[in-house]
Amino acid sequence: GAVVSQHPSWVICKSGTSVKIECRSLDFQATTMFWYRQFPKQSLMLMATSNEGSKATYEQGVEKDKFLINHASLTLSTLTVTSAHPEDSSFYICSARDWKDRFSYEQYFGPGTRLTVT
Amino acid sequence: GQQLNQSPQSMFIQEGEDVSMNCTSSSIFNTWLWYKQDPGEGPVLLIALYKAGELTSNGRLTAQFGITRKDSFLNISASIPSDVGIYFCAGQVLPGYSSASKIIFGSGTRLSIRP
Repeated sequence: GAVVSQHPSWVICKSGTSVKIECRSLDFQATTMFWYRQFPKQSLMLMATSNEGSKATYEQGVEKDKFLINHASLTLSTLTVTSAHPEDSSFYICSARDWKDRFSYEQYFGPGTRLTVT
Repeated sequence: GQQLNQSPQSMFIQEGEDVSMNCTSSSIFNTWLWYKQDPGEGPVLLIALYKAGELTSNGRLTAQFGITRKDSFLNISASIPSDVGIYFCAGQVLPGYSSASKIIFGSGTRLSIRP
């Protein structure tokens, strides 16, 4: 149980275009999902917290107009990188909390999406 | 913001050796977590610690939650080739339905095993 999927697993796009990444909780409902970015040989940096039915909370330094987050259902959150540039190339990882465990630490991580902007 | 200092950054060890890594913070955490990440994949939870002083084992892995709540260590005994990967410590301020329950990751320890 507690499986989180991401789609696509990798994507290559041209500079200036937008790309959408999906994060799904497959066997549980997630009222909260988190989006992380990981550059090569670096740690996971939290970008934003996504709450179902409300606006996402972005970490300091993350542009909300560039990284659009939509958490329209209890099993799906999307991250759209708008007007992507080569410096946006990174590994994007989502995680989800089971609403039944909302008072615990547990976050279930997805397998990540490798974005390359050419 | 909160930062976790993890050391060492990398380790080269012989198969069968024991491994030790630690994490320190300037802030107090309510929960300490240890994850392993393989290349091109998301992190996988290894051990979770909830109480100051707690010592928890998971097979060959042992981790402790420091008394001050500002540090934790992870030990791996008798390392094997599949232990290769990046290990991250992580701290959580307060479990709960709020943004304060977000997880902060350490800088990672890259473990390699000499053939």
